[in-house]
Amino acid sequence: EAGVVQSPRYKIIEKKQPVAFWCNPISGHNTLYWYLQNLGQGPELLIRYENEEAVDDSQLPKDRFSAERLKGVDSTLKIQPAELGDSAVYLCASSPDRGAYNEQFFGPGTRLTVL
Amino acid sequence: AQRVTQPEKLLSVFKGAPVELKCNYSYSGSPELFWYVQYSRQRLQLLLRHISRESIKGFTADLNKGETSFHLKKPFAQEEDSAMYYCALSVNTDKLIFGTGTRLQVFP
Repeated sequence: EAGVVQSPRYKIIEKKQPVAFWCNPISGHNTLYWYLQNLGQGPELLIRYENEEAVDDSQLPKDRFSAERLKGVDSTLKIQPAELGDSAVYLCASSPDRGAYNEQFFGPGTRLTVL
Repeated sequence: AQRVTQPEKLLSVFKGAPVELKCNYSYSGSPELFWYVQYSRQRLQLLLRHISRESIKGFTADLNKGETSFHLKKPFAQEEDSAMYYCALSVNTDKLIFGTGTRLQVFP
């Protein structure tokens, strides 16, 4: 079974440019998460989807970040415009359903560098 | 406020030595705690969860509500245990809050 797929794996852009990350969760997983991981820190939740509904986006900086999960499968996270401080690893994870007992399966992440 | 603290950024031991990776949490509700691990060039993955009371790869972790701790232990470290370890707290059964991680280095 394929795991969570993310692309691109690496992205280098100049500040003020837009950037988008794509995530394909494990088949059948209803819950999808986007995390931000800064250097030397643990992952921090940006947004959580239950199917196509964003049920927790309280940590998403909505002035420049947006996300969507059309049809409740793939998801895209966008930053426009990017700032220097956005340089980090962006992780996508999925789980079969909501709930603490459900393991979250992580993708390899996208490492973003903003110059 | 909910918080997970991992006081050690780096823990270095020799093969065969006991290991204890510390984790303390702050949460007013009933805690659900996890340990996630990331081996070199691999993705983050679940190691164990307290509710399962399981031992994975020789690792165990006991929830101590009095000390608000969930330390990860292994009696005899192996070289293949070298990795980044993250303690995580589940809030409202949905959201995971991660600590800053501890890098474990096991020398031969």
